[in-house]
Amino acid sequence: DTAVSQTPKYLVTQMGNDKSIKCEQNLGHDTMYWYKQDSKKFLKIMFSYNNKELIINETVPNRFSPKSPDKAHLNLHINSLELGDSAVYFCASSQGTSGKETQYFGPGTRLLVL
Amino acid sequence: GENVEQHPSTLSVQEGDSAVIKCTYSDSASNYFPWYKQELGKGPQLIIDIRSNVGEKKDQRIAVTLNKTAKHFSLHITETQPEDSAVYFCAARKAAGNKLTFGGGTRVLVKP
Repeated sequence: DTAVSQTPKYLVTQMGNDKSIKCEQNLGHDTMYWYKQDSKKFLKIMFSYNNKELIINETVPNRFSPKSPDKAHLNLHINSLELGDSAVYFCASSQGTSGKETQYFGPGTRLLVL
Repeated sequence: GENVEQHPSTLSVQEGDSAVIKCTYSDSASNYFPWYKQELGKGPQLIIDIRSNVGEKKDQRIAVTLNKTAKHFSLHITETQPEDSAVYFCAARKAAGNKLTFGGGTRVLVKP
């Protein structure tokens, strides 16, 4: 199926650990994003990459490091996890950066830090 | 930066009635306004969008209106059905750059 996919779907870990979330899209898009959705459902952008180049970095702690090995993949690595990192993380993709392209979201990764 | 406010935060309607969700934005340079529907356990999915050169857009039971002067836009769902129950998000984006700013979401419950 054509889609934005994320792994894992659920992630439960201890405070202080390091974890990664992977995202892949097979829509042929050149722009990918990471969003964080907190417990109140508020959606906020964290990062955006266009053709493997970082174009948006929304004052996210440097414990979060995105990596884009190619246009179809955008991974998120989180160091020294904290309780406040518990949230649902969504990957999204779109074509182009003119500002009007539809963003397609993945199913989300539910992260729980204990 | 852009700030998008969305109301109400929860909305309960009887099946067959209409539902209206309203959003206001702060940045007059924003010119693209999508609406997303998020079902339980899933990612947001685009249901309709409107650009600043249009005042209204309709797709079957869903319509969106935009008032650029007042900087607000609304989602209208007519003849609601139980499968319309979800969280709905409005968003705004400028022409330059591609950062979407989301509203806080509206949880819609359609009662059979």
